[in-house]
Amino acid sequence: DAGVTQSPTHLIKTRGQQVTLRCSPISGHKSVSWYQQVLGQGPQFIFQYYEKEERGRGNFPDRFSARQFPNYSSELNVNALLLGDSALYLCASSSEPGQGNSPLHFGNGTRLTVT
Amino acid sequence: RKEVEQDPGPFNVPEGATVAFNCTYSNSASQSFFWYRQDCRKEPKLLMSVYSSGNEDGRFTAQLNRASQYISLLIRDSKLSDSATYLCVVNKYSGNTPLVFGKGTRLSVIA
Repeated sequence: DAGVTQSPTHLIKTRGQQVTLRCSPISGHKSVSWYQQVLGQGPQFIFQYYEKEERGRGNFPDRFSARQFPNYSSELNVNALLLGDSALYLCASSSEPGQGNSPLHFGNGTRLTVT
Repeated sequence: RKEVEQDPGPFNVPEGATVAFNCTYSNSASQSFFWYRQDCRKEPKLLMSVYSSGNEDGRFTAQLNRASQYISLLIRDSKLSDSATYLCVVNKYSGNTPLVFGKGTRLSVIA
């Protein structure tokens, strides 16, 4: 079975641009979460979606937005990119709405570099 | 106080050694606890959940001390393949709330 897939794997953008990252969860998983991981830090929670509804939002500015589609795939959008947005963006899927009730399965991530 | 705190290491240990990592969390209402493993430039993967009574999975033992709000991971008979960053993970509050990751503890097992 396919795991969590993310695209693209790498991306280079300039300051001020906008970026869209994509994620497909494991088949049968209805929950998708997005995390940002800066080098040397642990993953930081950005959003969680379950059944197309936002279930949680981390401490990120409004430049960050996301949505989940009827097939449970998800997109993360970041507007007006800043140098500090350079990070590994991880998508995780799980079978339950709560992150504490079932393991998170992470994709390989999208490495975003903002120049 | 940070929500989840870990010693970043690195811990450099010889093969066969026993090594222990500790992690503290700030919110006494947290109910779910995990250890994830992350290899260099890879995604985190669940190593084990941590239960109140403590639990063991082969060479790995996890303990939870609610009174002191810390979690531990013990690795016995370290293998070269255990070299990775170990992330302590706690849910933010009780119930279905987001998971909070520590910065991770880096382990290098040396031949």
